Amino acid sequence: KQEVTQIPAALSVPEGENLVLNCSFTDSAIYNLQWFRQDPGKGLTSLLLIQSSQREQTSGRLNASLDKSSGRSTLYIAASQPGDSATYLCAVLMEYGNKLVFGAGTILRVKS
Amino acid sequence: EPEVTQTPSHQVTQMGQEVILRCVPISNHLYFYWYRQILGQKVEFLVSFYNNEISEKSEIFDDQFSVERPDGSNFTLKIRSTKLEDSAMYFCASSYSSYEQYFGPGTRLTVT
Repeated sequence: KQEVTQIPAALSVPEGENLVLNCSFTDSAIYNLQWFRQDPGKGLTSLLLIQSSQREQTSGRLNASLDKSSGRSTLYIAASQPGDSATYLCAVLMEYGNKLVFGAGTILRVKS
Repeated sequence: EPEVTQTPSHQVTQMGQEVILRCVPISNHLYFYWYRQILGQKVEFLVSFYNNEISEKSEIFDDQFSVERPDGSNFTLKIRSTKLEDSAMYFCASSYSSYEQYFGPGTRLTVT
């Protein structure tokens, strides 16, 4: 059974810092990995999707990497801003089936 | 930009009552999903739907749950007899293929 773990559970940083969020998964038979942002009481906004054959994806200040064989992904946020404060979720889509398996998320607070 | 919409945003119901949660997926998408998130817990997969039938379901999706695509635009989740433990945020998602899933804003279901 696929298990997705995110570290740290919470992170508080001053504005302007670069930061790294970590995601690990136990079963490397994944089709892709998505990073989402969730604001309190709101839905999930897709930030980046990495196919299993890719090593990284970039969007603006965000860069996500994937090491499928070791079961790890990182989300790098450059020059953090208070507006980046949210919960960041990692989810993997298995090669078999079409359900996303989510991690518990990292709660990020960027202080101004 | 096309988006997934869900109604209502908040539903309060009494234990034992039937509820129907509604979703309008992105118009050219072919795969439809329901997920739920109990407060403070991970987002969990409930069911996926393709070509007018369930393609995958989780252990949570028992006989109390059903899904339907009654017309060309709506996708519904019905809970026949709600329990207190069904209180959660329910997210609808859609995708064109087994690729990037797009999530709606969610319906908060409160069972009293």
